[in-house]
Amino acid sequence: DQQVKQNSPSLSVQEGRISILNCDYTNSMFDYFLWYKKYPAEGPTFLISISSIKDKNEDGRFTVFLNKSAKHLSLHIVPSQPGDSAVYFCAASGGYYQKVTFGTGTKLQVIP
Amino acid sequence: EAGVAQSPRYKIIEKRQSVAFWCNPISGHATLYWYQQILGQGPKLLIQFQNNGVVDDSQLPKDRFSAERLKGVDSTLKIQPAKLEDSAVYLCASAQGEIEAFFGQGTRLTVV
Repeated sequence: DQQVKQNSPSLSVQEGRISILNCDYTNSMFDYFLWYKKYPAEGPTFLISISSIKDKNEDGRFTVFLNKSAKHLSLHIVPSQPGDSAVYFCAASGGYYQKVTFGTGTKLQVIP
Repeated sequence: EAGVAQSPRYKIIEKRQSVAFWCNPISGHATLYWYQQILGQGPKLLIQFQNNGVVDDSQLPKDRFSAERLKGVDSTLKIQPAKLEDSAVYLCASAQGEIEAFFGQGTRLTVV
């Protein structure tokens, strides 16, 4: 049962344009959402998060949007840079010990 | 600040053999996680420690996997006996109260 879904395994974007990565979840108990970025042969690195009491969180070029009614969140990267090329994982947490559940990841390629 | 240290980086073993992985979290981090990441999938939580106590091991295959965190600092994850389907990257992560975790580089296990 995949509670966090990233339906696009890969995405290619031209440098300077916007990258939009999508994530859907099924568990209504999730109340905190995170995006991690992963380069090959490295562990995931935390990128940005959002609480369920908000619908938007912005950090520099990265913005996460949360639509609770649709159980959907998205990560926007503007402008995209070649160094953003990586696998991006959506993750969600909830419950007493805030167990984190990861999606399957989206591989982003930013073309110079 | 030193990051999460894991060893070894790579390990190849034959099925039915045993293997152990070691993790040294960031100093002062009370929460320690072990994740399993199979190729093409997102990280799956195996076990979560709060100091030296287990708070979630619901997805740990306890017939073959074991983990301990002595003195609430370092942790070891053991597999005995290993199966072919255990081939994966094993990620250790730590956190200090917050949900956003810092990951180590992982140990890539190949079972042949």
